[in-house]
Amino acid sequence: ELKVEQNPLFLSMQEGKNYTIYCNYSTTSDRLYWYRQDPGKSLESLFVLLSNGAVKQEGRLMASLDTKARLSTLHITAAVHDLSATYFCAVVTGGNKLVFGAGTILRVKS
Amino acid sequence: NAGVTQTPKFQVLKTGQSMTLQCAQDMNHNSMYWYRQDPGMGLRLIYYSASEGTTDKGEVPNGYNVSRLNKREFSLRLESAAPSQTSVYFCASSAFLVGGGIEQYFGPGTRLTVT
Repeated sequence: ELKVEQNPLFLSMQEGKNYTIYCNYSTTSDRLYWYRQDPGKSLESLFVLLSNGAVKQEGRLMASLDTKARLSTLHITAAVHDLSATYFCAVVTGGNKLVFGAGTILRVKS
Repeated sequence: NAGVTQTPKFQVLKTGQSMTLQCAQDMNHNSMYWYRQDPGMGLRLIYYSASEGTTDKGEVPNGYNVSRLNKREFSLRLESAAPSQTSVYFCASSAFLVGGGIEQYFGPGTRLTVT
């Protein structure tokens, strides 16, 4: 059974600082997704990582995938308040189903 | 193009009542999904439908039934609601990506409280 673990589960950051959210998963998969969720809202797709070594960047966020280590990272550069949200990683399992991590609540303090 | 729509947005039920959550997508996607989201647990798959006419259980199917009415619509039914089913329910549909993989598109969610 595929398990997906994120850490940290809660992250309080100062504006301007850098930090990384980690997503580990337990069985082989070469497709991983990152989503953002604002309070009371639905999920917004951030990144789709489809192969080992994939790296994608959008603004202050950069995601990477290491399928050998079964690890994805979401790196935040020079955080700003607008990045405050909950971030989920999700890994594809059989039948194109997604298994989600528990989410990382990010709070950026000004 | 509305994407994925869900009704109702909010619902309060008493224990033992039944209700159906409706979901529709206008993107001509084959696959549709129902998830529930509970605090600290991420999203968990309840049921999914790989194509019109097929449905399969996900991780937490107990207490739920689904119907894939046609390609556009996928409903979730609670026959006898229990307080443990208090949650936020999300419907999603998926499209295949060039180069492999899928992209899931999520509806706005239904907040259900069972008292």
